Amino acid sequence: GENVEQHPSTLSVQEGDSAVIKCTYSDSASNYFPWYKQELGKRPQLIIDIRSNVGEKKDQRIAVTLNKTAKHFSLHITETQPEDSAVYFCAARTYTGGFKTIFGAGTRLFVKA
Amino acid sequence: EAQVTQNPRYLITVTGKKLTVTCSQNMNHEYMSWYRQDPGLGLRQIYYSMNVEVTDKGDVPEGYKVSRKEKRNFPLILESPSPNQTSLYFCASRSNTEAFFGQGTRLTVV
Repeated sequence: GENVEQHPSTLSVQEGDSAVIKCTYSDSASNYFPWYKQELGKRPQLIIDIRSNVGEKKDQRIAVTLNKTAKHFSLHITETQPEDSAVYFCAARTYTGGFKTIFGAGTRLFVKA
Repeated sequence: EAQVTQNPRYLITVTGKKLTVTCSQNMNHEYMSWYRQDPGLGLRQIYYSMNVEVTDKGDVPEGYKVSRKEKRNFPLILESPSPNQTSLYFCASRSNTEAFFGQGTRLTVV
């Protein structure tokens, strides 16, 4: 079946450094790619998304890039802060008469002060 | 305040005893979905609904049912729960530009 692979599963960075999380999807019909942040014990929250007609999107310290040919997309967090520590999930959504969304397994990001 | 509300938050039940987890949203979103979250597996889509009376299977629909009789509510039904359905469940709703998850329901089936 279709899947989304996410790497790394754990990432530890020093405060102020950049963090990059990468995802690869298998369904070439996927056209919407959201990223979610989930803090411990809380619900996932949408932090940024990108559609297939766009190559890059930025929102303050967060950016997402999409390479449709290679079927991969990445989350970039610059100037990381301790409050960025959380689990991050990528997802790929495909419209097949309905919206089917497949998530990556998640990346646990630790930002050390 | 935009909200997706799930109930109950925590539930312990026995194998085979039918249960329903409710989900309600106040944003008039057409699209709603249910996910289960298990360690190392991320979020897996169980069912989704594009609108009232329109539902479809996600990746892991076995053992679950849903209904969408009105736009705001999207209950998840486990007719005969089994221990492998022990998990953290999230309901979500979205428009074209925003997505919201409920606070989660931690279900344990013994």
